Amino acid sequence: GQNIDQPTEMTATEGAIVQINCTYQTSGFNGLFWYQQHAGEAPTFLSYNVLDGLEEKGRFSSFLSRSKGYSYLLLKELQMKDSASYLCAVIGTGFQKLVFGTGTRLLVSP
Amino acid sequence: GAGVSQSPSNKVTEKGKDVELRCDPISGHTALYWYRQSLGQGLEFLIYFQGNSAPDKSGLPSDRFSAERTGGSVSTLTIQRTQQEDSAVYLCASGHGGGGGTDTQYFGPGTRLTVL
Repeated sequence: GQNIDQPTEMTATEGAIVQINCTYQTSGFNGLFWYQQHAGEAPTFLSYNVLDGLEEKGRFSSFLSRSKGYSYLLLKELQMKDSASYLCAVIGTGFQKLVFGTGTRLLVSP
Repeated sequence: GAGVSQSPSNKVTEKGKDVELRCDPISGHTALYWYRQSLGQGLEFLIYFQGNSAPDKSGLPSDRFSAERTGGSVSTLTIQRTQQEDSAVYLCASGHGGGGGTDTQYFGPGTRLTVL
């Protein structure tokens, strides 16, 4: 079977750092994606990891450990506009099908 | 257009009616995907198109669901004899596709379907 786990909800304060974890068990592995989704809007692409290690992109970084089936998304210098759901998704066997977790709803407060 | 577009943005229908949902992918993208997002659940894969062919339709939940793509561009997802459990947001995504590598998928805003 395929399973993607992430926390349901997190809260953080403006200016702080938050780490959103994702663990996965899939049939095969061809990469892990993070998407941001504001309420009522389309998911927007944040990052893609296929090799172990940290990928940094501005205030956002994503980490992958394939041996542990684990990834995290790190958000620095949090802003109010970062309040959104963050979706972890894995491509397993077959390059095309994304398997999503239920998403983590992040609330940033002043 | 700049991104993936979908229509209608909202659709309310009565149980038993048929509905058609439309997706216009990003120009030049050969790959097109349909997903469903139910309340409190993650996005669920429905079907994948490469050009006009659907090599993976394993996620379609029943034979009431069908999809087609014409001219390698626009796609329609049809749900026949809708049921209340079909109520969800239906999201379309497109990507460059092919090449055997992993394809970044870019999503449209979705169609919110409510079956009364």
